[in-house]
Amino acid sequence: SQQGEEDPQALSIQEGENATMNCSYKTSINNLQWYRQNSGRGLVHLILIRSNEREKHSGRLRVTLDTSKKSSSLLITASRAADTASYFCATDEGGSYIPTFGRGTSLIVHP
Amino acid sequence: GAVVSQHPSWVICKSGTSVKIECRSLDFQATTMFWYRQFPKQSLMLMATSNEGSKATYEQGVEKDKFLINHASLTLSTLTVTSAHPEDSSFYICSAKLTAGAVTQYFGPGTRLLVL
Repeated sequence: SQQGEEDPQALSIQEGENATMNCSYKTSINNLQWYRQNSGRGLVHLILIRSNEREKHSGRLRVTLDTSKKSSSLLITASRAADTASYFCATDEGGSYIPTFGRGTSLIVHP
Repeated sequence: GAVVSQHPSWVICKSGTSVKIECRSLDFQATTMFWYRQFPKQSLMLMATSNEGSKATYEQGVEKDKFLINHASLTLSTLTVTSAHPEDSSFYICSAKLTAGAVTQYFGPGTRLLVL
């Protein structure tokens, strides 16, 4: 069953702008991960945030996690055309450590 | 970082034939591999978990006789789509973990299957 739901489904911005994507989930989680997928390709792991963490940074990426609201956000600052891709959040719960993926946000960055 | 490859990257086959897709961990040994299926603009749906040396664990609704999984070594898992039909056309992605309890998965580049 699907756990995470990304919002918005699609996002179109100009190069240089910031892009914010949100992920909501239903049950308590161990970890939440964000992945990127270029069209027709596999997934690239971007960042992992554990349930006891609230914020993590990696380069131009900033991820927040609010376990009380069961939501996470991915912020890409100073976006580039090369950031155009689909972004998925994935959560794992219990002892499985098998992530469940949301439908993704399709980001288009116009040069 | 850990690299996972898939072969072939794309395949076209006739209805009724079987297609085998390979997933290899190139620079690490993977005790656990996963097979996903993805429809256009959709999420990744887990099909099965493949453990080296044992039978795969299939998700509910996935026919194990239709999608045969073999994880014969610590670096190779194969997915065979038997008697393929047009509705099996999809993007198949594998991933691998170093250990079953590891959080991080490493994904292959995917295989696009088109059944005519």
